[in-house]
Amino acid sequence: GAVVSQHPSWVICKSGTSVKIECRSLDFQATTMFWYRQFPKQSLMLMATSNEGSKATYEQGVEKDKFLINHASLTLSTLTVTSAHPEDSSFYICSASRGSGANVLTFGAGSRLTVL
Amino acid sequence: DQQVKQNSPSLSVQEGRISILNCDYTNSMFDYFLWYKKYPAEGPTFLISISSIKDKNEDGRFTVFLNKSAKHLSLHIVPSQPGDSAVYFCAASSAGGTSYGKLTFGQGTILTVHP
Repeated sequence: GAVVSQHPSWVICKSGTSVKIECRSLDFQATTMFWYRQFPKQSLMLMATSNEGSKATYEQGVEKDKFLINHASLTLSTLTVTSAHPEDSSFYICSASRGSGANVLTFGAGSRLTVL
Repeated sequence: DQQVKQNSPSLSVQEGRISILNCDYTNSMFDYFLWYKKYPAEGPTFLISISSIKDKNEDGRFTVFLNKSAKHLSLHIVPSQPGDSAVYFCAASSAGGTSYGKLTFGQGTILTVHP
């Protein structure tokens, strides 16, 4: 079946540093990937839609310069949290689309970021 | 503004009984609804979906019911099994090609099925 790998699964960093999270579709090509964020006991919130070869589309309230998204190939999208602060500590999860229709979305296992 | 709500953070049922997970939404533009199941340290996996033109969709032990007038959907699992213990997320999307990937999620409900 379709597999999406996220790396790292967890990361701890110091305030002010940048952290990159990778999302890879291992056995299929994904022209579109989605990045979500989840705070404790809250729902997954869509942050941005990542399209291969073009700029990401960010949801309202998400800072583009804070959360840099790059979708350089059909199997890889990266999310870089720049100048991380403790309030950026969260669970970040990506999904990749195998085609049209939401039931063809495959989610990664997520990345837990802790900013000290 | 929580457009998709799962008001029960947890549910506990006995093995063999029915599990009913509920979800309410506020956005009348939503026309496609999904349920995802999530185990610890794994990503959500698709379980079952329903289009707004239907009021019921069944797949084995899983049935999703949609009440558009009440903006309410529910997931029934029968009979429940201990392996069903997981977090269940309700999600919704509005019409249009790749926008199907833009999902609005509920907060999730932790289901525990006791042997």
